[in-house]
Amino acid sequence: SQELEQSPQSLIVQEGKNLTINCTSSKTLYGLYWYKQKYGEGLIFLMMLQKGGEEKSHEKITAKLDEKKQQSSLHITASQPSHAGIYLCGADLGIQGAQKLVFGQGTRLTINP
Amino acid sequence: DTGVSQDPRHKITKRGQNVTFRCDPISEHNRLYWYRQTLGQGPEFLTYFQNEAQLEKSRLLSDRFSAERPKGSFSTLEIQRTEQGDSAMYLCASRRTQGYAEAFFGQGTRLTVV
Repeated sequence: SQELEQSPQSLIVQEGKNLTINCTSSKTLYGLYWYKQKYGEGLIFLMMLQKGGEEKSHEKITAKLDEKKQQSSLHITASQPSHAGIYLCGADLGIQGAQKLVFGQGTRLTINP
Repeated sequence: DTGVSQDPRHKITKRGQNVTFRCDPISEHNRLYWYRQTLGQGPEFLTYFQNEAQLEKSRLLSDRFSAERPKGSFSTLEIQRTEQGDSAMYLCASRRTQGYAEAFFGQGTRLTVV
């Protein structure tokens, strides 16, 4: 069973369209991390969220953590081919700081021109 | 380049052979993690270290898997008597201990068992 559930598992959007990826847990997300991965490569860090209601943006990507700290979303505005890849959410589920770091199953994003 | 390096990048081995992978973390990072990733899945937690101490090992992990981090620097992951089901990408990551912080990942070692 997955401690972090991502949805959707795959997403195909037309270039220029907006999209949202969700990450949900039944446990409190004390540290929530978004990563991007290209096929066959390592994970590249995007953003970290810690506080309930927190929102961060980098270029056209915005990540939010809900007030209850059990759900996060990643939103891409005006998608571009460079956004294609696998998006992964990871989380610290313990209150005592960075310990075991677990990941969702990933969302595969395809951008059609 | 994230600063975390893994060696080798690719390994092809025959079923039943032993293999060992190496991970060199960012030098000031106390925490080191190993994950296994198969096609279409997210990274599956295997184990992690605080300096040289192995703090947790996945209950799903066979006894054929062992990891070490002597002197709290580099780490090795060994798989004994490899099986075809061990074919996967093995990822290493490191991060600092204080508070919550992002983990930095290596490029991974892709293992193919034939």
